[in-house]
Amino acid sequence: AQSVTQLDSQVPVFEEAPVELRCNYSSSVSVYLFWYVQYPNQGLQLLLKYLSGSTLVKGINGFEAEFNKSQTSFHLRKPSVHISDTAEYFCAVSDLIDSWGKLQFGAGTQVVVTP
Amino acid sequence: NAGVTQTPKFQVLKTGQSMTLQCAQDMNHNSMYWYRQDPGMGLRLIYYSASEGTTDKGEVPNGYNVSRLNKREFSLRLESAAPSQTSVYFCASSDTYGGNYGYTFGSGTRLTVV
Repeated sequence: AQSVTQLDSQVPVFEEAPVELRCNYSSSVSVYLFWYVQYPNQGLQLLLKYLSGSTLVKGINGFEAEFNKSQTSFHLRKPSVHISDTAEYFCAVSDLIDSWGKLQFGAGTQVVVTP
Repeated sequence: NAGVTQTPKFQVLKTGQSMTLQCAQDMNHNSMYWYRQDPGMGLRLIYYSASEGTTDKGEVPNGYNVSRLNKREFSLRLESAAPSQTSVYFCASSDTYGGNYGYTFGSGTRLTVV
C-alpha cells in the first residue's frame, strides 16, 4: 500500500519570497508523483508530474519539484511567489502496479501569500 | 471548453434522503473517479471505473453506489444520506493509463446533510 505525507498543513509566505512544500511518500514499488493546486471554490488542477527521466520537473506557473528516490520525497518549490499563488496544494502518488492509476492524495498544504 | 462537468454544484439534504450526483466528461477518457474532500484529510477515493462497464470500490465506499452509464457519464448515488456524508465531492477522469498521466477534475459538488 502507498501513502503520502505532506509535512506542513499551512505555509505563510510573503509576496516575492521563495516557498517549498514538502511531500514524502511510501510505497513498496515504483511510483508516479503529482502536485495539484486547488484555488478557492474550484476543482484541482495539475501543476506538474514525475513519470520517469530527469528528477527535476518543471510545471506551470513557475513551480518545480524534485524527485528524490532515496529519501522518498517530492518537494515542490517556487523561487518567488505571487498573491495569486494563495491556494491549497496536494501531493499525490500512483504506483506502477495499478495500471488504472488510482491516486493517493496527501492531506494538503494551504499556502497563504501576503504582501 | 472540454472537461469534466458535475451537477449540481450545491445541495442540502435531510438525513435519510437520497440523491444522485452527476458527472460527464467529453475528453474520451476511459477511467473515471469519485472522490470526497474533507478538511485536513485530502481527497479520498469513493469509487472508480477503470473502463466502461466496470466499477470498483475505493477507500471509502460505504453508503454510496455508482453507475457508469456510458463512456462519458459516471454517477454517484447516496441512498440514505447521513450527516457524515457532508463533504465536497469531486469527479475526475483520466486516459487509458489512468492517473499515471494526471486527472482532469470537475469543479465539485458541495453537499450538506442536515
